[in-house]
This record gives sequence, C-alpha cells and structure tokens, in this order.
Amino acid sequence: RKEVEQDPGPFNVPEGATVAFNCTYSNSASQSFFWYRQDCRKEPKLLMSVYSSGNEDGRFTAQLNRASQYISLLIRDSKLSDSATYLCVVNPGGSYIPTFGRGTSLIVHP
Amino acid sequence: SAVISQKPSRDICQRGTSLTIQCQVDSQVTMMFWYRQQPGQSLTLIATANQGSEATYESGFVIDKFPISRPNLTFSTLTVSNMSPEDSSIYLCSVAVAGANNEQFFGPGTRLTVL
Repeated sequence: RKEVEQDPGPFNVPEGATVAFNCTYSNSASQSFFWYRQDCRKEPKLLMSVYSSGNEDGRFTAQLNRASQYISLLIRDSKLSDSATYLCVVNPGGSYIPTFGRGTSLIVHP
Repeated sequence: SAVISQKPSRDICQRGTSLTIQCQVDSQVTMMFWYRQQPGQSLTLIATANQGSEATYESGFVIDKFPISRPNLTFSTLTVSNMSPEDSSIYLCSVAVAGANNEQFFGPGTRLTVL
C-alpha cells in the first residue's frame, strides 16, 4: 500500500460546483498534513495546512480524520482559476521529510 | 515563509554531459531538499542536502549520479551527471521552515530536457 494515496481524477466540474478530494495515508504516526496546489508547469505551493479540528479558508475547507487516516479538501463555489492539481502531503513526524501524494487533477469549466 | 530561486530555469542538454542546478534561499534554513518531478507524476525526493556534511540520498538515487553541495544554510547545488534522456524532468529545490507544522516551500524548478 502506498504511503499517501489520492484519486488522480481528473475531476471535471462546472463553475459554482462543490467538489471534494480525499487522501488516505498509511502511517498512523503522521503528525502534519497539508494540501498543496500545483498549476501546470509551476512549482507546488502551499494551499493550507490541515489541523485536527478542521480548518476553513474562504471557499476551502480541510478536514482530518485520524481514526480512518484520511484528510479531505472541500472546495465550494468552484472558480475557473481553481483548475490545478491538488497534492496531499503527509509529514510522518520526527522528520521534516514529507510524503507527497500523486495529486488530484481538477478542471473547472464554464 | 521563504523565497527560493533556482538557476537555470530550463536547459536542453546533450546525452553524457552534466548540469549543475543552483538553489538560493532568502533566509537561513536547516532543511533543504531536492526533488524530481517527471511528466504527469508526483514529486520524488532525491536527497536531503545537509550543511557541512554529505547529502542523505533516497532509495534509487546515488551520489555519483546526483552530487549535491550545501556550503551554507542559504545555498545548495544539485548536479545531474552523465545525463541520459531518462533524466529529463523538472528538478525542484525545497526548504522546510521549522515551526508548528514544518511547512515546505519550493523553488520555481529547473526544467531539464536531455536529447
């Protein structure tokens, strides 16, 4: 089983839709969790950290479920500019070296 | 946060040659990494660049092929040696900023094409 697994998609949604991505991780000792966004031919950029209590940043909501070992990202009212690849990142703790998922591709169309 | 620059941004190289990629950070950071991202794939960690000592390589990557220097806390180089077309990829420098979550920041990447 891969350490961090994501559905690669692509998720093809209309503007204004709500879309959710899940990511599962295998290391139960993982301590830090992130969602990164990567635009085509660009470097990954931090979108948001994922906290145990869940957190929201505008149209984006991230949740962590430690018991089931998954994190999620919810995007409300999708914009065309949300089209990108979303990378799930898990830090195993005791180490600064995170593990990246393969990424989920989102395409928002008019 | 950290601002990271990489040089060159892209290059086209001949088989058998070597290319050295530079990474400069605007602040002193302890943890510095080199990643490779091949088309349509996620990031693969090549090595952790350690200041003052040899880099720590991940499985499948060796020092002879990817020598790394880290002379100080703001600078590192990665050399791709004796290149083949299979080395065509984007090479990304990254730093981890110590704190509550150890967030990672990436350089803009070096797009390498080997003919």
